[in-house]
Amino acid sequence: QSVLTQPPSVSGAPGQSVTISCTGTTSNIGEDFDVHWYQHLPGRAPKLLIYGDNSRPSGVPDRFSASRSGASASLVITGLQGEDEADYYCQSYDSGPTSHVVFGGGTKLTVL
Amino acid sequence: QVQLVESGGGLVKPGESLRLSCEGSGFTFGDYFMSWIRQAPGKGLEWVAYIGSSGTTIYYLDSVKGRFTISRDNAKDSLFLQMNSLRAEDTAVYYCARDDGYSYGFTYWGRGTRVTVSS
Repeated sequence: QSVLTQPPSVSGAPGQSVTISCTGTTSNIGEDFDVHWYQHLPGRAPKLLIYGDNSRPSGVPDRFSASRSGASASLVITGLQGEDEADYYCQSYDSGPTSHVVFGGGTKLTVL
Repeated sequence: QVQLVESGGGLVKPGESLRLSCEGSGFTFGDYFMSWIRQAPGKGLEWVAYIGSSGTTIYYLDSVKGRFTISRDNAKDSLFLQMNSLRAEDTAVYYCARDDGYSYGFTYWGRGTRVTVSS
């Protein structure tokens, strides 16, 4: 059971947009800790996609954007492409006793 | 370019030990925080341990405290994870990641090393 809650899967056709939600609590996202997003293809190194709630590292297309509100965050992917098919994880920090860093359970994006 | 390469994974029995290594290149290793993160089969990512740039600040996931020890050798651009008293639930791919702090997240990751704990 992950501390941050994501939908297990989302899907969309090429060219469409999808949104992946990430719900936390008052001890993590709600405590104003930054939210980061990662893209993970099986067998590959995870890749930082969004940092600091809504900033993109150089090289990440502007089709990827993110936002946060209260104890939740969202990743939006517009203009879906086949290469976007991957697992996506949100990540933040937690002031609770069990874990300094928390991840969402991951969302599998399928491009139809 | 920044590279992180993990090694040391393998198949061990419950209760046995394993030492993972991660060698960094393409950046000044000693200037950065580092973390170990794992992914159990069919599960999501789970942070395991953190070490500050000088090695004096260390945090662990509750379930590995007392069993795992994170360390680093900045002279050799290397990060380590000593794993003792391994359990079946420690079975996972273990990634090392450069931890750029609260505002920037885990900016670079290795491809991981697989640890299987099974009798």
